[in-house]
Amino acid sequence: IAGITQAPTSQILAAGRRMTLRCTQDMRHNAMYWYRQDLGLGLRLIHYSNTAGTTGKGEVPDGYSVSRANTDDFPLTLASAVPSQTSVYFCASSRQRAVVDEQFFGPGTRLTVL
Amino acid sequence: GQNIDQPTEMTATEGAIVQINCTYQTSGFNGLFWYQQHAGEAPTFLSYNVLDGLEEKGRFSSFLSRSKGYSYLLLKELQMKDSASYLCAVSDSNYQLIWGAGTKLIIKP
Repeated sequence: IAGITQAPTSQILAAGRRMTLRCTQDMRHNAMYWYRQDLGLGLRLIHYSNTAGTTGKGEVPDGYSVSRANTDDFPLTLASAVPSQTSVYFCASSRQRAVVDEQFFGPGTRLTVL
Repeated sequence: GQNIDQPTEMTATEGAIVQINCTYQTSGFNGLFWYQQHAGEAPTFLSYNVLDGLEEKGRFSSFLSRSKGYSYLLLKELQMKDSASYLCAVSDSNYQLIWGAGTKLIIKP
């Protein structure tokens, strides 16, 4: 692994189903983030984690949950998917959060909820 | 509220120079980033400005005026591979990145 990986690459999901998007980084970064990217809108922060064992809510957290059991992994769960959650989801990481630092992005997961 | 404005789309010619503007209104300011995003790919870091002035990095330069809430990204000697979206993002008082919607740059031969 080099950088950040995400799985799956794409997924079509029926409304009401539960889905977990996976994110793994090998850079030993403390901070990790989940964004969604929709056409015509900027990236919007869903949840973040400053370090293993801690998480926080971003701009659009409703309908999503995260966990950070260790430094490398930061899964995003949709408990009961709805069509408005159709989007491209990017996981990102940085060395620290409470300083200004470059964020590195994974390749993204394209999710379609029908 | 917090707001980042950039043009939706720009067109330029190969070999030319293009300037992509970004204006912002945020709760606090801890720096401004420019990222490049090719279609279907992840954003990648281009530049960071925290002090007023111009930062030059090869063919790309970024300028910041904090008093005007304004930045621009200057791309010189345009190449076809520069066709991409360019995202402006501001780190606010909580060190959260606030993102613009991006400027799609189309390069014509």
